[in-house]
Amino acid sequence: AQSVTQLDSQVPVFEEAPVELRCNYSSSVSVYLFWYVQYPNQGLQLLLKYLSGSTLVESINGFEAEFNKSQTSFHLRKPSVHISDTAEYFCAVTSGGGADGLTFGKGTHLIIQP
Amino acid sequence: DGGITQSPKYLFRKEGQNVTLSCEQNLNHDAMYWYRQDPGQGLRLIYYSQIVNDFQKGDIAEGYSVSREKKESFPLTVTSAQKNPTAFYLCATRLAGGVHEQFFGPGTRLTVL
Repeated sequence: AQSVTQLDSQVPVFEEAPVELRCNYSSSVSVYLFWYVQYPNQGLQLLLKYLSGSTLVESINGFEAEFNKSQTSFHLRKPSVHISDTAEYFCAVTSGGGADGLTFGKGTHLIIQP
Repeated sequence: DGGITQSPKYLFRKEGQNVTLSCEQNLNHDAMYWYRQDPGQGLRLIYYSQIVNDFQKGDIAEGYSVSREKKESFPLTVTSAQKNPTAFYLCATRLAGGVHEQFFGPGTRLTVL
């Protein structure tokens, strides 16, 4: 069985400040990791993913995440946040190709303060 | 316009009634999934289907039923046996063959009165 822990349910940060959203996972097999973002009353949008190769992955809107196998982590970072980054962020894990669905963390609400 | 359609966006039902949530996709994806989202709980897998006429239970299948008669459609029925059906329901699809991310629909918010 696999699980995902998002250590912070809510993260307040000032606009233009850096932010890190933490994600740790547990699994007995190789995993594939994802970060999704959800705006109020909407579905989830893929932010970035780690499948293989370089452990540092980046999104088109300035977010990045680093896969750390020894620490079983996949933390999400952004060097300078904007008010439009206010949303719920979910870390998810799957193994064996992902056919059986994703296992999600409980989410982190990123609150950007002006 | 390709994508995933969930209808309706908001749904109200009286306690004890069955209700069916629609999920349609024109992405030509083989796999489809239903998740339930509750505040502070993340998403939990209800049912999934990797191919037409076949589906599997997820982590919280009790009180729900599905069918997959067409590749494009994966309706979810919330039955009266579901003890706490009020939630936000999300449908997702995935391209088969290899590791691929899931694409999510806009969701249906079900409120049982």
